[in-house]
Amino acid sequence: TQLLEQSPQFLSIQEGENLTVYCNSSSVFSSLQWYRQEPGEGPVLLVTVVTGGEVKKLKRLTFQFGDARKDSSLHITAAQPGDTGLYLCAGAARGQNFVFGPGTRLSVLP
Amino acid sequence: DTGVSQNPRHKITKRGQNVTFRCDPISEHNRLYWYRQTLGQGPEFLTYFQNEAQLEKSRLLSDRFSAERPKGSFSTLEIQRTEQGDSAMYLCASSLGQSKYFGPGTRLTVT
Repeated sequence: TQLLEQSPQFLSIQEGENLTVYCNSSSVFSSLQWYRQEPGEGPVLLVTVVTGGEVKKLKRLTFQFGDARKDSSLHITAAQPGDTGLYLCAGAARGQNFVFGPGTRLSVLP
Repeated sequence: DTGVSQNPRHKITKRGQNVTFRCDPISEHNRLYWYRQTLGQGPEFLTYFQNEAQLEKSRLLSDRFSAERPKGSFSTLEIQRTEQGDSAMYLCASSLGQSKYFGPGTRLTVT
């Protein structure tokens, strides 16, 4: 059983569309991180969210941490082919090791 | 470039051979992590150093695996008597606080 679940597993959209991907858990996390990983490369840190209800924006990406700190979402506005990649959420639940979710593989078609 | 670096980027080896990977973390980061990632999965934790002390090891880290960080700076991960199941991307990360920064990884293929 995954401590962190991510949905959807795969997402293929056209350039210019909006999308939201989700990261969920039954456990409370002190913080959650979102990474993007391209094939053959290591994950690149996008953001760390710490406070329940927190919203952070990074250009066209909006990250939200749930009020109960058990879930997070990533919304991309007007997706571009350069957004293609594997989006991973990761964090450490109370008393647990830092873990990654299985990722959402996003493909943005031109 | 002051990010995390890993060498080599790719390694192909025959089953039964030993391999060693190197990780150079961001210089002021005291924590260093090794992860393994297989196709279609998120990274899985292997081991963690704070300075030169190895504080935690996953049960994934069998006795064929050994990691060192002798001076609290760079780290090496050695796999002895490689098996085909060891084929994966081996990722190193470093951190000072909550945020981890990853290197580009070493892709190991065991034939």
